[in-house]
Amino acid sequence: ILNVEQSPQSLHVQEGDSTNFTCSFPSSNFYALHWYRWETAKSPEALFVMTLNGDEKKKGRISATLNTKEGYSYLYIKGSQPEDSATYLCAFYGTSYGKLTFGQGTILTVHP
Amino acid sequence: DAGVTQSPTHLIKTRGQQVTLRCSPISGHKSVSWYQQVLGQGPQFIFQYYEKEERGRGNFPDRFSARQFPNYSSELNVNALLLGDSALYLCASSLGTLYEQFFGPGTRLTVL
Repeated sequence: ILNVEQSPQSLHVQEGDSTNFTCSFPSSNFYALHWYRWETAKSPEALFVMTLNGDEKKKGRISATLNTKEGYSYLYIKGSQPEDSATYLCAFYGTSYGKLTFGQGTILTVHP
Repeated sequence: DAGVTQSPTHLIKTRGQQVTLRCSPISGHKSVSWYQQVLGQGPQFIFQYYEKEERGRGNFPDRFSARQFPNYSSELNVNALLLGDSALYLCASSLGTLYEQFFGPGTRLTVL
């Protein structure tokens, strides 16, 4: 059974704050690590697909880093805005089994 | 271009009944995956199909089955429904089994 853990479970920040959260995953049989943003009443939206150790990706105010040797990824949001409020999911893709294993998500609430 | 579509949006069934959920992938995508999401958890992998063949199966009982058609659309069938099957069922399509996945809006199934 693969364990993909996300922390914290929920987070409340003020508009303008920068924040980050963590995804931990198995360090063996790694193929890719996905990040998704899931807003209420919408479909999960892909943010990043990361495959290389040391990878850093950026999309606007959101960035992510990857450490496959120790099995973690960080997602950073700079200058949080209320529209960033969503559940952020990470998902691990291993080489030995054709499926995405999701973490339980981090619920981010940005207060105006 | 149309995104991933799912039907129906909502469904109410009683215990013991059978249900069929439908998914149409993004044009050109040959892989479809099904996930079950219950409140407070990340999506749980049920099946992945690629080119009409099953490529992965999650830890779900045999009451769950799926298939993919020549046009790459897919159906998820659940027999002998239990109360615990109440969940949001998400479909995702991708170019291949290891690519970024694009999610549909989901089907909310309620079993009474």
